[in-house]
Amino acid sequence: EAQVTQNPRYLITVTGKKLTVTCSQNMNHEYMSWYRQDPGLGLRQIYYSMNVEVTDKGDVPEGYKVSRKEKRNFPLILESPSPNQTSLYFCASTREGGTEAFFGQGTRLTVV
Amino acid sequence: GNSVTQMEGPVTLSEEAFLTINCTYTATGYPSLFWYVQYPGEGLQLLLKATKADDKGSNKGFEATYRKETTSFHLEKGSVQVSDSAVYFCALSEWGYKLSFGAGTTVTVRA
Repeated sequence: EAQVTQNPRYLITVTGKKLTVTCSQNMNHEYMSWYRQDPGLGLRQIYYSMNVEVTDKGDVPEGYKVSRKEKRNFPLILESPSPNQTSLYFCASTREGGTEAFFGQGTRLTVV
Repeated sequence: GNSVTQMEGPVTLSEEAFLTINCTYTATGYPSLFWYVQYPGEGLQLLLKATKADDKGSNKGFEATYRKETTSFHLEKGSVQVSDSAVYFCALSEWGYKLSFGAGTTVTVRA
């Protein structure tokens, strides 16, 4: 089954404790992205990747890092989480030349 | 830059009522347009899409027409069901690596 898998689904952490949210897709898509969803703001792009070792900032990259060492994986790293990063996070993938994005189930992160 | 403006919610309807959610966009080029739906506790699912002007996307009784002249992509359904209760997002993409989303509209359908 074609899918984007994120882990964990839920995470509560403390300010300053580094964390990683994993994302993996099995569709051999070139493009992958991370979004955060906040009430009244919709989804905003954090980072994107157009292929292995090619990443770039989206609209709200501050406080986040990503890496793309393998085509299928695109982890989101919060080196020093803060309460304003409490949000619902989605990973998405798209094939090169396409526009339809496939989304993971989401990760609800709470930073206290 | 690209942006999407959609009708603020929440919207509460009775079963079998007509639903419309307005969406307008600003884009520099010729984007593809989408409606995504998020059911309670779930991720985003593509509901329908249109890739060029005058295209009509449809799925599960929902429809939306890509109107270049009014830069709009309004979502409609003639007779809603309780199972249509969800958050609906209008979005556009000019390049496959980026979607621009509206704020989302929460729809609640009562029996």
